[in-house]
Amino acid sequence: KAGVTQTPRYLIKTRGQQVTLSCSPISGHRSVSWYQQTPGQGLQFLFEYFSETQRNKGNFPGRFSGRQFSNSRSEMNVSTLELGDSALYLCASSVQPGPGTEAFFGQGTRLTVV
Amino acid sequence: KNEVEQSPQNLTAQEGEFITINCSYSVGISALHWLQQHPGGGIVSLFMLSSGKKKHGRLIATINIQEKHSSLHITASHPRDSAVYICAVRSGNDKIIFGKGTRLHILP
Repeated sequence: KAGVTQTPRYLIKTRGQQVTLSCSPISGHRSVSWYQQTPGQGLQFLFEYFSETQRNKGNFPGRFSGRQFSNSRSEMNVSTLELGDSALYLCASSVQPGPGTEAFFGQGTRLTVV
Repeated sequence: KNEVEQSPQNLTAQEGEFITINCSYSVGISALHWLQQHPGGGIVSLFMLSSGKKKHGRLIATINIQEKHSSLHITASHPRDSAVYICAVRSGNDKIIFGKGTRLHILP
């Protein structure tokens, strides 16, 4: 069974540009969540999707957005990139959202903003 | 003050030692997770707890809901256990909050 796949693995963008990251969950998983990891702030929750609906959102500005498609694949978009957006972006999938459900993480996309 | 605090931040031990990593939280939770992150970024979910104790191989996780505290124990530690261990809670209002992590280094 394939794991969670994130593409691309590495990305370099210029300040002011926008970026789209992709996450393909494990087959049969309908919940996808996204996280940002930086050396200073550690791991922070971005958002959670289930059945194409955002059901939970962390404390990030509106420049960070996401969506989920009918096949459960998810994308997140960051517009008007800032240097501080440089981070490892991780997604995780689970059968369903909420407590009591095991999450499986992808390898992450490392975004560098220059 | 962070809502999820881990201690210690860094831990170096000799192979074979018994390891304990602590996590304290200040919010009501519906679940607590222990995660392991190896260099390169990959994260593995080790345990998911809402009460009591769980064991998987050499790893044991406990949670005390009344004291808002969880511990992760590693018995007979091995260099391959070297990683960052992260505690995460899902709060009562469904927010997900992470600790800053404990960097563990096991010396051969």
